Amino acid sequence: DTGVSQDPRHKITKRGQNVTFRCDPISEHNRLYWYRQTLGQGPEFLTYFQNEAQLEKSRLLSDRFSAERPKGSFSTLEIQRTEQGDSAMYLCASAGGIFEPQHFGDGTRLSIL
Amino acid sequence: TQLLEQSPQFLSIQEGENLTVYCNSSSVFSSLQWYRQEPGEGPVLLVTVVTGGEVKKLKRLTFQFGDARKDSSLHITAAQTGDTGLYLCAGAPPGAGSYQLTFGKGTKLSVIP
Repeated sequence: DTGVSQDPRHKITKRGQNVTFRCDPISEHNRLYWYRQTLGQGPEFLTYFQNEAQLEKSRLLSDRFSAERPKGSFSTLEIQRTEQGDSAMYLCASAGGIFEPQHFGDGTRLSIL
Repeated sequence: TQLLEQSPQFLSIQEGENLTVYCNSSSVFSSLQWYRQEPGEGPVLLVTVVTGGEVKKLKRLTFQFGDARKDSSLHITAAQTGDTGLYLCAGAPPGAGSYQLTFGKGTKLSVIP
């Protein structure tokens, strides 16, 4: 069990650029979540996958955000035309069975210049 | 919308002291998790409580879930400098679904030697 892995750990980009983050969940965890955490706040839910199906999306997830989990294993989160307000820590979590707790990766910290 | 209020927001104590932090809501949760987060890292799961009135102990940490499953507390006995960090509570909603977590803003604990 190698834990949830996220890449990159840090991303600095200019406003208007597109960015993509990757999450590798704990193997055989069929549930995968994306959260966003800003300074002084707890993580906020963005979206949820069960296997390859994206089953829930938060209203926080604007049209500029898209997430995929094509083979039910790793997932990507893409932000198009980044804005200053997108600066945050993007966290990925995975869970096994329906009542199993969520285990988090160390996140990708996004900074928009 | 389910909200979790954590108190206090900040806590600074001397090594060896005891402390309690609180997590309160007007909503019922099917389970509640406590996480600890270090700067630049993802939240690390400490415990999950599921049953109303449940008490769980993890070495010097004691977690309690309220009878009505709306609130929880974390008590640390004889705090150590290694306990320093951000303590987050997170609740999963009742019923079926994604079990997306709702987080509080956290209690930032500093244990001074």
